[in-house]
Amino acid sequence: ETGVTQSPTHLIKTRGQQVTLRCSSQSGHNTVSWYQQALGQGPQFIFQYYREEENGRGNFPPRFSGLQFPNYSSELNVNALELDDSALYLCASSQGTLRTEAFFGQGTRLTVV
Amino acid sequence: AQRVTQPEKLLSVFKGAPVELKCNYSYSGSPELFWYVQYSRQRLQLLLRHISRESIKGFTADLNKGETSFHLKKPFAQEEDSAMYYCALKGHGSSNTGKLIFGQGTTLQVKP
Repeated sequence: ETGVTQSPTHLIKTRGQQVTLRCSSQSGHNTVSWYQQALGQGPQFIFQYYREEENGRGNFPPRFSGLQFPNYSSELNVNALELDDSALYLCASSQGTLRTEAFFGQGTRLTVV
Repeated sequence: AQRVTQPEKLLSVFKGAPVELKCNYSYSGSPELFWYVQYSRQRLQLLLRHISRESIKGFTADLNKGETSFHLKKPFAQEEDSAMYYCALKGHGSSNTGKLIFGQGTTLQVKP
């Protein structure tokens, strides 16, 4: 059984650019959630995908978008990057939307300069 | 609004001392609460959830609806307990579906 993997682990982008972060869910999991964790803060929910459809969204602007693929892997896309987007982005997978034991990846550290 | 508050950013205790990490929540319905832990250089992982009423690594947490609290306790701290601890509430309602609402986290430092 493989765990949740995220790529890349670190990246640096310039303000205004676009970025794509990737997540492979744990084997057997069909639900992926994305969280943003700013320094010194707890994770903040961005959105969740269940069977390729968005299933819940947090208080993030539309420039944060996502996809889930048939193999349940997922992407988080952020357009028009701002300095405040600098954070650790966490992906979590689970089996179904009712069972909230979420298994987290190690995260992608995004720095916007 | 559904919210989780962890009032202490840092809790420092000596090995063998009791530990209590505080968590208060705001939710009018029946809450589903969790404690997650992040050890140094490791990923965030589930420690325990209140519906299981389990004890993991000597930690327990009791839901107190009257005080809207879900404090994490351990009678005798070990050095390997040093980590960041997050309390989380399962979101409910159309705008909260599918999400976990996390507190800001408490760093537990167990000194030898």
